[in-house]
Amino acid sequence: DIQMTQSPSSLSASVGDRVTITCRASQSVGNHLNWFQQKPGKAPGLLIYLVSTLESGVPSRFSGSGSGTDFTLTISSLQVEDFGTYFCQQSHIAPHTFGQGTKVESK
Amino acid sequence: QVQLQQSGPGLVKPSQTLSVTCAISGDSVSSNSASWNWIRQSPSRGLEWLGKAYYRSKWYIEYAPSVKSRLTLNPDTSKNQLSLQLDFATDEDTAVYYCVRLTGEGILDLWGQGTQVTVSS
Repeated sequence: DIQMTQSPSSLSASVGDRVTITCRASQSVGNHLNWFQQKPGKAPGLLIYLVSTLESGVPSRFSGSGSGTDFTLTISSLQVEDFGTYFCQQSHIAPHTFGQGTKVESK
Repeated sequence: QVQLQQSGPGLVKPSQTLSVTCAISGDSVSSNSASWNWIRQSPSRGLEWLGKAYYRSKWYIEYAPSVKSRLTLNPDTSKNQLSLQLDFATDEDTAVYYCVRLTGEGILDLWGQGTQVTVSS
């Protein structure tokens, strides 16, 4: 299975901060890398797919980049509604594995 | 719009069968472009893909090796739903179970609300 490793596992930030989360795959996943946001008690919601395409309705302060094995999710100016947990996921080779998550908390 | 509505008992005794059902509205379980997946989430194992079912002139069902010997996915076209049955449940199967649509582009774009299942006597 392809292993997905996120860093950091958690971070504390303030509203307005720029936040960066990285995701590394144990082998190339091409551009088949997606990001999800999860709030407590809710299912994960698709945020970004195929590395950098924003899902409909996702604010433009979110962006994704990378290729091959190294990927980044950036929130340009953190808002209150952005606190939660973020997961990367590869859909290049089954089983479609997830990172362990990055919890974004209020500083 | 497409919705996935899950149902199932929240408590299962060890060694019994864990069952969850996913009712699909606004799409078809026999779609020839999407597949219907089960993913579970627990603090110890994170998000774990369990299996999927899809129809391409015939039914294909795939299972994760970790649960393959115990898991059965059953698509029901008459009810437009997909069910999960996990035999010989143990406390390690305690998790939130999600039904998820995977598009033809490999995107998990739609999730059910999740079903918390606890395995305990």
